[in-house]
Amino acid sequence: QQQVKQSPQSLIVQKGGISIINCAYENTAFDYFPWYQQFPGKGPALLIAIRPDVSEKKEGRFTISFNKSAKQFSLHIMDSQPGDSATYFCAASITGEKLTFGTGTRLTIIP
Amino acid sequence: DVKVTQSSRYLVKRTGEKVFLECVQDMDHENMFWYRQDPGLGLRLIYFSYDVKMKEKGDIPEGYSVSREKKERFSLILESASTNQTSMYLCASSPWPGQGIHFGSGTQLSVL
Repeated sequence: QQQVKQSPQSLIVQKGGISIINCAYENTAFDYFPWYQQFPGKGPALLIAIRPDVSEKKEGRFTISFNKSAKQFSLHIMDSQPGDSATYFCAASITGEKLTFGTGTRLTIIP
Repeated sequence: DVKVTQSSRYLVKRTGEKVFLECVQDMDHENMFWYRQDPGLGLRLIYFSYDVKMKEKGDIPEGYSVSREKKERFSLILESASTNQTSMYLCASSPWPGQGIHFGSGTQLSVL
């Protein structure tokens, strides 16, 4: 079964710090890697996504770093704010096929 | 803005009951999905549909069935609810199978 392994399970970061969440995958055919953000009582929402032809993608304070040779990708949240406190899911898919999700990281930003 | 609407936010059912979870999307998306979300297990795909009256099993289809009679509506059916089906159920839709997925707010189902 295709797998995406996500770590850590939970993360506490001080306000203004950098939050880093990591994911590793096995299937080298994956060609689409999104991150989803979920607030309590809401469904997950697409945050940012990357394809393997680039090593980094940045949108505001959120950056995906992608290491194709290591089969790893990570989400970096710069200048973390209390409003970033949420559960984050990485995912991967082959174009045209279903998404496989990681197990989620509960991020808490403390003042 | 894409809207995926799930009919119930919270649902409490008894073991053995037949349960229907309803989902409607307003963006004319071809693909619709049902996931369940459990702590520590992430989101696991139950069933998906890429067209009206079409369905495909996901990773954990046992104990579930689905129905898609109209493009905008995708129903998840628990034929005989069991306590291990207590979970958060998330419906989603997308224009492509693995991308651009939009989720509803979820239905928290408790089976007693």
